[in-house]
Amino acid sequence: NAGVTQTPKFQVLKTGQSMTLQCAQDMNHNSMYWYRQDPGMGLRLIYYSASEGTTDKGEVPNGYNVSRLNKREFSLRLESAAPSQTSVYFCASGRDTLKVEQFFGPGTRLTVL
Amino acid sequence: SQQGEEDPQALSIQEGENATMNCSYKTSINNLQWYRQNSGRGLVHLILIRSNEREKHSGRLRVTLDTSKKSSSLLITASRAADTASYFCATANSGNTPLVFGKGTRLSVIA
Repeated sequence: NAGVTQTPKFQVLKTGQSMTLQCAQDMNHNSMYWYRQDPGMGLRLIYYSASEGTTDKGEVPNGYNVSRLNKREFSLRLESAAPSQTSVYFCASGRDTLKVEQFFGPGTRLTVL
Repeated sequence: SQQGEEDPQALSIQEGENATMNCSYKTSINNLQWYRQNSGRGLVHLILIRSNEREKHSGRLRVTLDTSKKSSSLLITASRAADTASYFCATANSGNTPLVFGKGTRLSVIA
């Protein structure tokens, strides 16, 4: 039981490049989330998926897109990376409603030059 | 937009002492949760307290909730060096919206 896994662990991009961050959970959870964490800013929600087939914007969705590929997988895409997107990205999942405890992945450290 | 605000931002104590962190929030909640984050790792859920509960314990952790003051506190008793981490509160609001995390308290426990 791996929990929440994220790939890659580290990534360096040049401005304007695109990439997809992958997230998968093996706990049969309904809800999944993408956060970014910047120094002094805490966790900010980018997008979330309350259940398979649905996605919604969070606090900071601009510059990102998501896909809930199936119940297990929730990917985050940067179409044209900008230096302001340099951050640590965390994926999380929750068992059912949006109010239950969340389980976090180990994070992806992204640098955009 | 941040709902929970932790206080203090940073806390440094000696091993064996108790550590208290506070969280204040603005709107009515369904529940409030505390998470720990070790350096370079993802967050780990510690404890959930519902809006109709006033106190909850888990091992060396004690959480209180005062809905009239819109505040919660996390007490770690007999702290250890391994408790060094950032601690976040997260609020689940009454509507159908996701958790909102605060900015966290950085706790350093010195051996």
